[in-house]
Amino acid sequence: RKEVEQDPGPFNVPEGATVAFNCTYSNSASQSFFWYRQDCRKEPKLLMSVYSSGNEDGRFTAQLNRASQYISLLIRDSKLSDSATYLCVVNPYTGRRALTFGSGTRLQVQP
Amino acid sequence: DGGITQSPKYLFRKEGQNVTLSCEQNLNHDAMYWYRQDPGQGLRLIYYSQIVNDFQKGDIAEGYSVSREKKESFPLTVTSAQKNPTAFYLCASSIDDRNQPQHFGDGTRLSIL
Repeated sequence: RKEVEQDPGPFNVPEGATVAFNCTYSNSASQSFFWYRQDCRKEPKLLMSVYSSGNEDGRFTAQLNRASQYISLLIRDSKLSDSATYLCVVNPYTGRRALTFGSGTRLQVQP
Repeated sequence: DGGITQSPKYLFRKEGQNVTLSCEQNLNHDAMYWYRQDPGQGLRLIYYSQIVNDFQKGDIAEGYSVSREKKESFPLTVTSAQKNPTAFYLCASSIDDRNQPQHFGDGTRLSIL
């Protein structure tokens, strides 16, 4: 089982739609979680951290479910500019002090 | 402005040649990382360094080497032993705290001539 798993998509949604992605992680000791956004042929950029109580940043909401070991990202009122690949990132708290990146979920928002 | 600078943006390697990718940061971050990304794939960790003069292998270190002589610099050498070097290489840095995110440079695209 991969440490971090995501549905690769693509998710094709119309402008204005609400879309949600899930990401599962295998290590129950994981302590920190992030969502990154990566545009085609560009570097990943931090979208938001994910806190235990859930958190919101404008149209974006992140949730953590420790019992089921998944995190989610909800995007409301999708814009064309939201089209990108969304990477789920986890600190697995193993002996290696490095984050683990999921392979990403591709979102395509259509006019 | 604070940030991470990778150079060159594009690099071509001949057979049997070693090439070095530069990564410099002025964020005063202790930790630095190198990743490789193949088309349509996720990021794979090559090497990382938590402190000057120390570095650790990641998942795909074979055919690569690094050094960390200065806090702000973490160059990656792609050696001739790496038989399939064509990829997008990303350097990142973070505060040395397990709960902190990483920040990325804008990458180097390496191709074989």
